[in-house]
Amino acid sequence: GENVEQHPSTLSVQEGDSAVIKCTYSDSASNYFPWYKQELGKRPQLIIDIRSNVGEKKDQRIAVTLNKTAKHFSLHITETQPEDSAVYFCAARDDYKLSFGAGTTVTVRA
Amino acid sequence: DVKVTQSSRYLVKRTGEKVFLECVQDMDHENMFWYRQDPGLGLRLIYFSYDVKMKEKGDIPEGYSVSREKKERFSLILESASTNQTSMYLCASSPKPYEQYFGPGTRLTVT
Repeated sequence: GENVEQHPSTLSVQEGDSAVIKCTYSDSASNYFPWYKQELGKRPQLIIDIRSNVGEKKDQRIAVTLNKTAKHFSLHITETQPEDSAVYFCAARDDYKLSFGAGTTVTVRA
Repeated sequence: DVKVTQSSRYLVKRTGEKVFLECVQDMDHENMFWYRQDPGLGLRLIYFSYDVKMKEKGDIPEGYSVSREKKERFSLILESASTNQTSMYLCASSPKPYEQYFGPGTRLTVT
């Protein structure tokens, strides 16, 4: 099955700086890579996703890049704000199901 | 707006009890999933279902079973609860094998 590794496990950034979270996956057949944000006490929610036929996707201050050859993908958050503080999960699709990374706790310091 | 609901937000059970966690979605989604979430381990898939009465084991099915008698409802059953099943349980549904919508979670404590 698919194995997804996510780094770092914790990330502290100054407000206004950028944050980068990296994930690697093992199954070259995986073709869909979503990122979920989970605020404290709330459910995970999709913030951005990318399919394997695309190398990069942006949505305002967040972007995701995919390197299929190296089997890794990254989340970039620019101009971080306090509301970006949360746990972020990457995932890769394996048939019907998603395999998730262990999560990154992002703290934005004011 | 997709709505996924779970029967309880918090649940406390004793070791050996049979526990039912229920999930309901209102968007006619084919696929439904049960995960458990533990610190440092992310979301681990217990079981999933891609159609009524169909079920597939996920990565950690031991000690759990599921039931899907109706399209909108997916139940997770702990036949004999143990303390190592204390966790946050999240249900999700999806209309196709892409975006998943999560429920609010059930925090289960087994004493």
